[in-house]
Amino acid sequence: SAVISQKPSRDICQRGTSLTIQCQVDSQVTMMFWYRQQPGQSLTLIATANQGSEATYESGFVIDKFPISRPNLTFSTLTVSNMSPEDSSIYLCSVSRDGGNQPQHFGDGTRLSIL
Amino acid sequence: DAKTTQPTSMDCAEGRAANLPCNHSTISGNEYVYWYRQIHSQGPQYIIHGLKNNETNEMASLIITEDRKSSTLILPHATLRDTAVYYCIAHNDYKLSFGAGTTVTVRA
Repeated sequence: SAVISQKPSRDICQRGTSLTIQCQVDSQVTMMFWYRQQPGQSLTLIATANQGSEATYESGFVIDKFPISRPNLTFSTLTVSNMSPEDSSIYLCSVSRDGGNQPQHFGDGTRLSIL
Repeated sequence: DAKTTQPTSMDCAEGRAANLPCNHSTISGNEYVYWYRQIHSQGPQYIIHGLKNNETNEMASLIITEDRKSSTLILPHATLRDTAVYYCIAHNDYKLSFGAGTTVTVRA
């Protein structure tokens, strides 16, 4: 399976600031996704990162708050903008080689705490 | 995605088989059953998936009932490192809907 690296692995930020999380894959993949896992909760899909076009956001998530880039088939970034304590979560990147009924493989996430 | 129902928690003895049930009574014909697990402080790990037939890989076996309304994930020889939250997901596209899963604790 693909090796997925996320940076940073954790961070503590001040409210009102923004943080960009990077996701790097060791091979080209068709689909890249971003998830959020709030404390004690399960994972929720934020958006699908589309190469060469705007990301596709799930209900409850908007581009102004979570801008996403995907410049090529191995890299994506998620920015958490104007952070508040409610944004304290683990943010995870996942990839799927072909989409559809192919397994997704996850990075170990970025643990974000907002003071 | 079809709704899935799993027990909240299970205890298993180290070295014994762990059988994790999942109910997906509203699954549609083209939805696969996927299993993932999340070990503490790590991202979810793909385990196995199947449509109709039973499946086996190096990690586990997946038994799907003939009517496809339920399935069982079998870890043949549970180890302490198998302690994790196990998620059963029924879906047919790229979107994964994670429920609460089953917290499995393997005890020595």
